[in-house]
Amino acid sequence: ETGVTQTPRHLVMGMTNKKSLKCEQHLGHNAMYWYKQSAKKPLELMFVYNFKEQTENNSVPSRFSPECPNSSHLFLHLHTLQPEDSALYLCASSQEGGEETQYFGPGTRLLVL
Amino acid sequence: AQSVTQPDIHITVSEGASLELRCNYSYGATPYLFWYVQSPGQGLQLLLKYFSGDTLVQGIKGFEAEFKRSQSSFNLRKPSVHWSDAAEYFCAVGGAQKLVFGQGTRLTINP
Repeated sequence: ETGVTQTPRHLVMGMTNKKSLKCEQHLGHNAMYWYKQSAKKPLELMFVYNFKEQTENNSVPSRFSPECPNSSHLFLHLHTLQPEDSALYLCASSQEGGEETQYFGPGTRLLVL
Repeated sequence: AQSVTQPDIHITVSEGASLELRCNYSYGATPYLFWYVQSPGQGLQLLLKYFSGDTLVQGIKGFEAEFKRSQSSFNLRKPSVHWSDAAEYFCAVGGAQKLVFGQGTRLTINP
């Protein structure tokens, strides 16, 4: 238990669906991240939020839309996804300006049909 | 540009044997270095990290790693593996906001 939770743990959706992934951290951190983990590929950083402000968008397609309402919660809104978007989506948090270590949640396994 | 290479995609060792997982990095300054472990269907758990100071770092679950600047390496070691160590291991380099991960090494344990 790292103090970072993600829901749902598994998600199956069609290409026309809209769904959201949720991440919550209980560590008092002020930075949160979304990563994509696909088979046979290194972890890819998608988005970074510092103090609720987006500071990094790593050329992610607009069908992925992040939202960070406060420092403890992070969402990833999904719409009109493609089958190649099927992956494990990992959320992480860290303390900007403090302990420079990212702590990860268990991930959401997404399958796009 | 930052990069991390884990040369071994898959390693198999016998239970009780020693283990070394290799990690080489490219980074423009003194790096922050991390090892994470991922069990099937789970997120990444931090094993250990190096920021500065003693180049031999102790982590959880009996793991250690040694930072060797001259070789740009940060290899992970364990003197005696347990069946529960079977997992995927990731080396990462960078700071809090810009972690670059290696491809991972999958560890299988033979009974």
